[in-house]
Amino acid sequence: SQELEQSPQSLIVQEGKNLTINCTSSKTLYGLYWYKQKYGEGLIFLMMLQKGGEEKSHEKITAKLDEKKQQSSLHITASQPSHAGIYLCGADFSNAGNMLTFGGGTRLMVKP
Amino acid sequence: DVKVTQSSRYLVKRTGEKVFLECVQDMDHENMFWYRQDPGLGLRLIYFSYDVKMKEKGDIPEGYSVSREKKERFSLILESASTNQTSMYLCASSLSAGGQETQYFGPGTRLLVL
Repeated sequence: SQELEQSPQSLIVQEGKNLTINCTSSKTLYGLYWYKQKYGEGLIFLMMLQKGGEEKSHEKITAKLDEKKQQSSLHITASQPSHAGIYLCGADFSNAGNMLTFGGGTRLMVKP
Repeated sequence: DVKVTQSSRYLVKRTGEKVFLECVQDMDHENMFWYRQDPGLGLRLIYFSYDVKMKEKGDIPEGYSVSREKKERFSLILESASTNQTSMYLCASSLSAGGQETQYFGPGTRLLVL
């Protein structure tokens, strides 16, 4: 969706390196969801951010939502091959809680 | 744990066939969704349902219909499959509307229409 842009589209990193994926919205977000998808499989929920400036972490993955609630970043520390997959951000623009708009996804490959 | 299951992981159908994709969730969620995912186009919403027998069109409903006769089950129907409906189909469910509720996804059905 052009309302929600992810960058980069594709990323190859050496195992152990840090990386950041960005999700930028043209409108204010009421909620921002991060999912991970392994190739050819369903989406696995990672984290949800709602408040401006909010930051959440799970294991080696940290997600932040900026103060204006228009941009989120996903940061992976010391990447591992298990982090490989497609990362998708999904945005709730209406605060109705029932329709998400998804970004195009970032394909991450981690070289051992 | 929330569990969303889809009836088939892979499906091959011929043009013109009627195709049923089934989705079942076991967490008593009110909302259920059908998406399709295509390279370069990302995830696009086809239909969603916020209650039994209730449905709303998403971004790309043309060529599809849905059925929700029971709360736990949401079916996607391709009345007459066409080759441009070859795609990955993903079902999701969430607890309720009116707030930030996480959508949980099934494993996906990869449909090939010949």
